[in-house]
Amino acid sequence: LAKTTQPISMDSYEGQEVNITCSHNNIATNDYITWYQQFPSQGPRFIIQGYKTKVTNEVASLFIPADRKSSTLSLPRVSLSDTAVYYCLVGDMRGGQAGTALIFGKGTTLSVSS
Amino acid sequence: NAGVTQTPKFQVLKTGQSMTLQCAQDMNHNSMYWYRQDPGMGLRLIYYSASEGTTDKGEVPNGYNVSRLNKREFSLRLESAAPSQTSVYFCASNGQDAEQYFGPGTRLTVT
Repeated sequence: LAKTTQPISMDSYEGQEVNITCSHNNIATNDYITWYQQFPSQGPRFIIQGYKTKVTNEVASLFIPADRKSSTLSLPRVSLSDTAVYYCLVGDMRGGQAGTALIFGKGTTLSVSS
Repeated sequence: NAGVTQTPKFQVLKTGQSMTLQCAQDMNHNSMYWYRQDPGMGLRLIYYSASEGTTDKGEVPNGYNVSRLNKREFSLRLESAAPSQTSVYFCASNGQDAEQYFGPGTRLTVT
């Protein structure tokens, strides 16, 4: 069961790039790395998922080194509305194969100021 | 397409009372989940159902029961509510693409 470690909190200013790193030393061969965002009083929302190297979508980029023991979520030019909790998850959820592999942890609380 | 819906949105119970939290999804997903989230904490998995007809315990199953009524619906039951079960409960589902979709949550207070 791959456990993740990420910073409890981060602060940033509008327009800056924010990088949140997650450690997952025990990641298994079939595990994917997934990041979720949660605003207060809402359920988490999927941001991005990757297996290795780099993945980019319209919201963020995910960098995964060759050993896959860590990953970095990169949010370009953050705004006030990016203030939220960000969770890093490791597991193989393809085809619904999830179950106890879904450990959310406390996440990283990102605060963006003007 | 409503995604994942949960009822009720809010509920107050007295210690010892029972209730069922309802969850439904209209995305034809096989897997469904129940989480709880306490203030300042991450989500903890209570139970999950990998497919219709199957259920399994998650991280914190004690005090709860679940029913996967059909492919769309997954309910969570508290037989005898305790103050320690005061929390926000989230239901989620996912299909083949591994992205989990979450409902809006049920805020439960047990006095």
